[in-house]
Amino acid sequence: AQSVTQLGSHVSVSEGALVLLRCNYSSSVPPYLFWYVQYPNQGLQLLLKYTSAATLVKGINGFEAEFKKSETSFHLTKPSAHMSDAAEYFCAVNRAGFQKLVFGTGTRLLVSP
Amino acid sequence: EAGVAQSPRYKIIEKRQSVAFWCNPISGHATLYWYQQILGQGPKLLIQFQNNGVVDDSQLPKDRFSAERLKGVDSTLKIQPAKLEDSAVYLCASSLDSAGGSHEQYFGPGTRLTVT
Repeated sequence: AQSVTQLGSHVSVSEGALVLLRCNYSSSVPPYLFWYVQYPNQGLQLLLKYTSAATLVKGINGFEAEFKKSETSFHLTKPSAHMSDAAEYFCAVNRAGFQKLVFGTGTRLLVSP
Repeated sequence: EAGVAQSPRYKIIEKRQSVAFWCNPISGHATLYWYQQILGQGPKLLIQFQNNGVVDDSQLPKDRFSAERLKGVDSTLKIQPAKLEDSAVYLCASSLDSAGGSHEQYFGPGTRLTVT
């Protein structure tokens, strides 16, 4: 079975600082990994996905994530936070070739001026 | 391209009442999903359809929840009777089936249900 663990339910950064949101996965087979963002009162929007091609994945809004098999991690980063990045971020996994997504519990990113 | 549509956006009902949610997926997407997102948690899959057939409903509380996708396009999710613990956001998503694809899911804005 697949699962993801997101460390830290809340992360606070200052505008312009590095954003690092942590995600570790558990999977007995090669996984596909996703990061989604959810703004208040909205659905989830895909930021980026890893599907066994390049291990460094670039997404929208300046975010990127690196798949590290040895560490079973898929952490999300952004070099410089913007106020508009304040939202809830979810890491998710599915089994390569299968559709069912399993989500983590989410990390709320707070950005202060 | 139009996104996933859901209605209503908000619903408040009393416990033991019934409620229905509607979802229209992206045109051409064969797979449709209903998720329940309780405050402070990640979305949890309730049911997955491929065309008008159920692929996975293992986490659907079948004594009170039902869902259908009769023509393989739009779908309804019903709760009858509702309980307090059903208060959540109900998200609909759809994906395009493609062999070897990542099955990227596109989400609607959700319906926020409050049961009092």
